[in-house]
Parts: sequence; structure tokens; C-alpha cells
Amino acid sequence: DAGVIQSPRHEVTEMGQEVTLRCKPISGHDYLFWYRQTMMRGLELLIYFNNNVPIDDSGMPEDRFSAKMPNASFSTLKIQPSEPRDSAVYFCASSHPGQGNEQFFGPGTRLTVL
Amino acid sequence: AQSVTQPDIHITVSEGASLELRCNYSYGATPYLFWYVQSPGQGLQLLLKYFSGDTLVQGIKGFEAEFKRSQSSFNLRKPSVHWSDAAEYFCAVVQGAQKLVFGQGTRLTINP
Repeated sequence: DAGVIQSPRHEVTEMGQEVTLRCKPISGHDYLFWYRQTMMRGLELLIYFNNNVPIDDSGMPEDRFSAKMPNASFSTLKIQPSEPRDSAVYFCASSHPGQGNEQFFGPGTRLTVL
Repeated sequence: AQSVTQPDIHITVSEGASLELRCNYSYGATPYLFWYVQSPGQGLQLLLKYFSGDTLVQGIKGFEAEFKRSQSSFNLRKPSVHWSDAAEYFCAVVQGAQKLVFGQGTRLTINP
């Protein structure tokens, strides 16, 4: 398996623009997680899905952030409009209960908002 | 709610020296505990995990961790570090069905 795939790996955009981050989980994994990592706040869980349904979005910072999972093999995290404080590394991870809660992480998307 | 504390933000050790990274958790029942490593520019990789049974857990890359319920700790150890071990290390505990709560991380620097 190729592991969790994220795209793009790097994104530079200007304040006010829409940003869409993409994730393909490991095949057969029914949990998908979106995290944000910054120096100040560390690793934060934004939202997670089970069988394509959002379970907990309490970590989503504000209405500018939205996430979808239209099918088992694809998820998006959208920021609209983007702000400089959204600059961070965004990770996607997936897991399967049969693998004992281990989350497999993607390589991350480094977002810079100018 | 469950929480994880990693008291050391940054640790520096010499290559070949032993290493211990501290992790304390807050959880009422027997926790599911993890150690992940993050190399620069990379995602997180699982080093080892503890669910039950033997309190000394062996992981990849020569790492081990010991679960001590009396101290609410799950410290990570390695007898002899290599320059390639320089990375950030995260301790985590399961909350609910699948959610992980991570500590703030410990950055490890290796002196030649």
C-alpha cells in the first residue's frame, strides 16, 4: 500500500484566497483524521470521520474551515478565506480498529498564507 | 478528559549515550499509549504502543518504553542513540474509540 497520500505537499497563497487540501487514506481504513501542527499550539486534531461521516469537529477553529469526505478514498479540508494565521502543516491520518488504534500519517501539506 | 504531558521540550544527548524521554498521562482506566516520531519535514511514524500485558514494550529502531501505572508514566528509552534519531517525539493516549490526544512533543538533538 502507498500509505496516506496528501496533496499538495506545499501551498503558498495570499490572504483571502480559498485553499483546498486533499487526502487519500489507506485502503480499508474507516477512520480519517485531519490535524494541524504549529510551533505555538503543537499538534491539534481538527476533525475526524468514521465511514465518511464526521464524528467530531470540535477542533475546527472557525467557520472558515470545512472538511468533507465524499467517499471512502478521498477527503478535503478547505479554508475560505485563508488568513496568515492559518499557516501551518496540515496532516491527514487514517486508521482501522482492527489495527489497534494506530493512526497512519501522511507526509503533510505545508501551507503558507501571505 | 485524558491528557498527556511531555515535560521536556528539548533534549540534547551525545551520540552513543542512553536516552530517556518522559511522558505522563492522565486517564482513569488502563490507557492505550503510543510513541510516535517525526523526522524533519515528515509525517509521524509509530515507534511502539501499549495496550495491556507486559509493561515493557519493544518498538522499532531499538526503542522501548515502560508503562508504570503507579507513576502514570510511559517513558521512552534507547540504550545508545544514533545521529539519525534526531527528531521530534510525541507521546499519545487514546481518547474514546479512535481519537488520539498528543503531548506537546520533545525535540531530540544529537551531539556528534
